[in-house]
Amino acid sequence: DTGVSQNPRHKITKRGQNVTFRCDPISEHNRLYWYRQTLGQGPEFLTYFQNEAQLEKSRLLSDRFSAERPKGSFSTLEIQRTEQGDSAMYLCASSLSRGRGDTQYFGPGTRLTVL
Amino acid sequence: RKEVEQDPGPFNVPEGATVAFNCTYSNSASQSFFWYRQDCRKEPKLLMSVYSSGNEDGRFTAQLNRASQYISLLIRDSKLSDSATYLCVVPWGSASKIIFGSGTRLSIRP
Repeated sequence: DTGVSQNPRHKITKRGQNVTFRCDPISEHNRLYWYRQTLGQGPEFLTYFQNEAQLEKSRLLSDRFSAERPKGSFSTLEIQRTEQGDSAMYLCASSLSRGRGDTQYFGPGTRLTVL
Repeated sequence: RKEVEQDPGPFNVPEGATVAFNCTYSNSASQSFFWYRQDCRKEPKLLMSVYSSGNEDGRFTAQLNRASQYISLLIRDSKLSDSATYLCVVPWGSASKIIFGSGTRLSIRP
């Protein structure tokens, strides 16, 4: 399977714990994105990388959230001191920049439940 | 005005019917647009891209009206398998940031 993969698929944690999610993009894609989606809403942009550089971060990404893409391939999203409001589906997407509305391909997501 | 707005539905139509829904956007500088489909508890998947006035792919037609700043999705001869949430997507600011609408739920009944 050469699509976007995410691990874990599900994560249940207690409030206050730290969690880390991983995303492996489509191999030739240079752009990688993180989104958060809650029930009944569309995905909300969190951040994106071009190669290893993090080029944009949403104001939704509080200082408890950090994302990395150290070698321009896979990426991790860490949430520190989780809160119940962090419960959501965290989606990763990747694209190959073509300069006109990149098509983003999504992974299956990591569903986070904070108890 | 919200950046991207969609009628949340749900639209409940019989199999074989034609259904259409709109999406309005506030950024007049946006050049390309997308419709994604999302099944329950699955990831969004690209349905169609719209770069000029419109695009057609089989039973699906997307149209763009730049003057009124909306895009529409028309589904003809709807199938049970078309039941899903349809997300309107508009690029915003940088070339890669995109904004999703909240989605329109479509349910096709036998």
